[in-house]
Amino acid sequence: GAVVSQHPSWVICKSGTSVKIECRSLDFQATTMFWYRQFPKQSLMLMATSNEGSKATYEQGVEKDKFLINHASLTLSTLTVTSAHPEDSSFYICSAILMGHYSNQPQHFGDGTRLSIL
Amino acid sequence: SQKIEQNSEALNIQEGKTATLTCNYTNYSPAYLQWYRQDPGRGPVFLLLIRENEKEKRKERLKVTFDTTLKQSLFHITASQPADSATYLCALDTTGKSTFGDGTTLTVKP
Repeated sequence: GAVVSQHPSWVICKSGTSVKIECRSLDFQATTMFWYRQFPKQSLMLMATSNEGSKATYEQGVEKDKFLINHASLTLSTLTVTSAHPEDSSFYICSAILMGHYSNQPQHFGDGTRLSIL
Repeated sequence: SQKIEQNSEALNIQEGKTATLTCNYTNYSPAYLQWYRQDPGRGPVFLLLIRENEKEKRKERLKVTFDTTLKQSLFHITASQPADSATYLCALDTTGKSTFGDGTTLTVKP
């Protein structure tokens, strides 16, 4: 159980394009989802916390107008990288925690999206 | 400033031996600590969670210890196998979100 699906798994696009990444919890409801960014040989950097039905909470230094997050249902959160540039190229990973559990619970991760901006 | 350090970026051991990975932290008071496994190009997979009032947790060949005085967690894999080769991440949880270490890449040689 507790499967998180992330789509697409990889995308290559031209500079200036907007890219949408979906994160779905397949067999559970997730009040909270997290979006991370990971560079090679580095750890996961939390970008934002996405709560169903409310605005996302962004970490310091993350541009909310650049990385749009929508959490419209208990099973889906989306991250849109707007007007992407080569420096936005990275591995983006989402995670979800079970509804009703906010602390003391593991995160269930998707398999990530490899974004390459040419 | 807050800091999480995982010992050596890479650890190589022989099959059958015990792998010990270290996670040290400063300027945190985590309520609990988690260990994850990450394979190349994949998302992390949860392994074990240990609370601040627990000293040790076990799951099959895995064992985690948590010393809040030393501000350290040790992660052990006994009877290691080549299939255990991966990057292992520790994560501290404080105010409802996790902060991850840079990970230790373990290679188990047959």
